[in-house]
Amino acid sequence: DGGITQSPKYLFRKEGQNVTLSCEQNLNHDAMYWYRQDPGQGLRLIYYSQIVNDFQKGDIAEGYSVSREKKESFPLTVTSAQKNPTAFYLCASMRERNTEAFFGQGTRLTVV
Amino acid sequence: KNQVEQSPQSLIILEGKNCTLQCNYTVSPFSNLRWYKQDTGRGPVSLTIMTFSENTKSNGRYTATLDADTKQSSLHITASQLSDSASYICVVIDNYGQNFVFGPGTRLSVLP
Repeated sequence: DGGITQSPKYLFRKEGQNVTLSCEQNLNHDAMYWYRQDPGQGLRLIYYSQIVNDFQKGDIAEGYSVSREKKESFPLTVTSAQKNPTAFYLCASMRERNTEAFFGQGTRLTVV
Repeated sequence: KNQVEQSPQSLIILEGKNCTLQCNYTVSPFSNLRWYKQDTGRGPVSLTIMTFSENTKSNGRYTATLDADTKQSSLHITASQLSDSASYICVVIDNYGQNFVFGPGTRLSVLP
């Protein structure tokens, strides 16, 4: 069953902690993306990766970090430097430019 | 600045009725336009992808139109069902094929 999987579905973080959100895909897609979704706003790009061991900052990369050690995996770390991390995070993958993009089910992160 | 605007922000209709959602964009150069359906707390799911040369495309009860001259698109939902209650997101992809510009979405509620 091919697809893109995010975990966990819900995540709670204390202030000052780093947390890592998982994103795994078995679609053999080269490109992977991380977006942040806030109420009433369009999705905003955090980081993207076009190929293994390479990634680029998106529009709102500050306070986040990523790695792309394997084609299937693109984890996102929300660091303590991110001042307002409470949001819904979505991971997406795409085979190549201008093809269909598939989204995971999202992780809702809440700072407590 | 590349932007995608959607209207209305929210919409309530009765089951069985039709509705039309609007999308205006300023993204340039243009590659394609996509409509996604996003259920609450889930990832977006693709409904249609429209290229520059396509004026109308249907997917079941969903019909999307595109006017590339006026940079407007619409999504028409026919004979609405309770399961159509969701946010509908318009996304415009630039000519490089990898930059997605998301609209804020229209929240549709279908009541019995």
